[in-house]
Amino acid sequence: GQQLNQSPQSMFIQEGEDVSMNCTSSSIFNTWLWYKQDPGEGPVLLIALYKAGELTSNGRLTAQFGITRKDSFLNISASIPSDVGIYFCAGDDSGGGADGLTFGKGTHLIIQP
Amino acid sequence: GAGVSQSPRYKVAKRGQDVALRCDPISGHVSLFWYQQALGQGPEFLTYFQNEAQLDKSGLPSDRFFAERPEGSVSTLKIQRTQQEDSAVYLCASSTDGTGGHSNQPQHFGDGTRLSIL
Repeated sequence: GQQLNQSPQSMFIQEGEDVSMNCTSSSIFNTWLWYKQDPGEGPVLLIALYKAGELTSNGRLTAQFGITRKDSFLNISASIPSDVGIYFCAGDDSGGGADGLTFGKGTHLIIQP
Repeated sequence: GAGVSQSPRYKVAKRGQDVALRCDPISGHVSLFWYQQALGQGPEFLTYFQNEAQLDKSGLPSDRFFAERPEGSVSTLKIQRTQQEDSAVYLCASSTDGTGGHSNQPQHFGDGTRLSIL
């Protein structure tokens, strides 16, 4: 089946630093999504990307849909304590039928005071 | 409520027991998805409904897993003769997309049911 390679697995940063994480895939996706999951909660949608090359911002978050449709990155600028959590990329290749999302294994963001 | 609601939040069962997990999607959402999330992993797709029709069940790990959505709203995921490897968080998601074609409506997740099999 399809797999998403998400990196890094974890990040230890200082408050105020910028963060960058990315996902790559062996196959094409029509949609890329980025979710954040806090302990004991479900994933919460941060950004959805629908077109190759698309660059979208949501506050301090910026994400891009790669031109090849096989990759995406998420940047967080000026990190704050509440950014702590696990970030997941997810790809959707629905194109004639409906499929579930394929998720990466997550990037665990830890912010040191 | 405004979001996807799942119950129970926690379920502990002995190996061999049957369990049933419930999902109330966002009102009006046509599509409903079930995922399984093992500890330290991303969610993995189990099955998909468009209204009451189960269009994809390719992710169900075995015939012990069964899902239904008889009236096209609430869904139940049932696991029969539970095994220890069934221990995981089971997430439900819904979206407005109902065309069955290119999906451009993101999925919104509930907080999951954490299932522990002893």
